[in-house]
Amino acid sequence: GESVGLHLPTLSVQEGDNSIINCAYSNSASDYFIWYKQESGKGPQFIIDIRSNMDKRQGQRVTVLLNKTVKHLSLQIAATQPGDSAVYFCAGSPSGTYKYIFGTGTRLKVLA
Amino acid sequence: IAGITQAPTSQILAAGRRMTLRCTQDMRHNAMYWYRQDLGLGLRLIHYSNTAGTTGKGEVPDGYSVSRANTDDFPLTLASAVPSQTSVYFCASSQGYNEQFFGPGTRLTVL
Repeated sequence: GESVGLHLPTLSVQEGDNSIINCAYSNSASDYFIWYKQESGKGPQFIIDIRSNMDKRQGQRVTVLLNKTVKHLSLQIAATQPGDSAVYFCAGSPSGTYKYIFGTGTRLKVLA
Repeated sequence: IAGITQAPTSQILAAGRRMTLRCTQDMRHNAMYWYRQDLGLGLRLIHYSNTAGTTGKGEVPDGYSVSRANTDDFPLTLASAVPSQTSVYFCASSQGYNEQFFGPGTRLTVL
């Protein structure tokens, strides 16, 4: 069945270093992927998205990489800051549907 | 601009009671969604609506119902609450197949 999952539940990174959060998906029909950030007690907040016709997309301090061959995507955060501490989710949806599937989340801890 | 509002913020409910969680958006998005978030399971889609007047089932629809009478409102009803429905519920909206905007959530405890 469909699933979108994350490799690591917790990631600790030194402030100023780069962070890489990984995500795997099982449904090859998924063609739209989103990364969300969720701070404690709040709803998820959009970070960046990518469609299956792209391999890479960059935003402000963030980059998403998509490898359709191995059904894997990653979120890279440059120069990680204390404000980046949160849980990060990837989500995917098959073409033409509103049925987004979310991964279980990775907690990013930024160490001072 | 409020975006998406949810009510109540939190609720403690006796098992067997009926409960409606409210969700309103002011962005005129066509699509709206209800998710539940449980520890270790991420967000799971309960129901969604791609336009006023239509709804669809997500991953975990049993025990929940929704309606979409207009563009802005998308209430979620638990007809007879059970303890396994204890969770944090998030409403979201999107314009087409694009990023979703989430509300602040409703923390529901069923005893």
